[in-house]
Amino acid sequence: NAGVMQNPRHLVRRRGQEARLRCSPMKGHSHVYWYRQLPEEGLKFMVYLQKENIIDESGMPKERFSAEFPKEGPSILRIQQVVRGDSAAYFCASSLKSGVSGNTIYFGEGSWLTVV
Amino acid sequence: AQSVTQLDSHVSVSEGTPVLLRCNYSSSYSPSLFWYVQHPNKGLQLLLKYTSAATLVKGINGFEAEFKKSETSFHLTKPSAHMSDAAEYFCVVSDLDNNNDMRFGAGTRLTVKP
Repeated sequence: NAGVMQNPRHLVRRRGQEARLRCSPMKGHSHVYWYRQLPEEGLKFMVYLQKENIIDESGMPKERFSAEFPKEGPSILRIQQVVRGDSAAYFCASSLKSGVSGNTIYFGEGSWLTVV
Repeated sequence: AQSVTQLDSHVSVSEGTPVLLRCNYSSSYSPSLFWYVQHPNKGLQLLLKYTSAATLVKGINGFEAEFKKSETSFHLTKPSAHMSDAAEYFCVVSDLDNNNDMRFGAGTRLTVKP
């Protein structure tokens, strides 16, 4: 059973370009989370999605960032018109279900975005 | 609202000596608590979790943590550090009745000296 798969692992973009980060959850998982880890900082929650629904996007910047988790295919985190401050590691995680005590969230290996 | 504070940003120990990584949490509910480890340029690996069962939780690689409600703490310990333990450690609190809202501490970087 493959784990959470993220790609690309490393992405370099020039300022103003778009970045797309993909996440395939573990098999059978329908809950996906995105976190951002800025240099020298901890992980910050960005968004929580279920299939075709955004459940909680309280951690998403108001502009340029969007996320989706379609019925088919991976979850996508999209950053438009990237700026240097977007350079970070972006981690995707998935879980089997919600609202169950001890429900474990499994993380992908991360996607490192560098904006030059 | 829930939050977690890792009291030390950096801990340095000698190989073979005990490890203590401190974590205090704040939660309005009965929380679930986790420790994750992150090796350089890698994803996060679950070390252990507390889910209202036994207060002393044993994890992988010889780590364990004790949930102390009176002190709102969930410190991570290991009797004897190994060089391969050098990594970043994150304490996490989760209110799983609230859409799996996990909050991460800022992390503690563990250095192990030979």
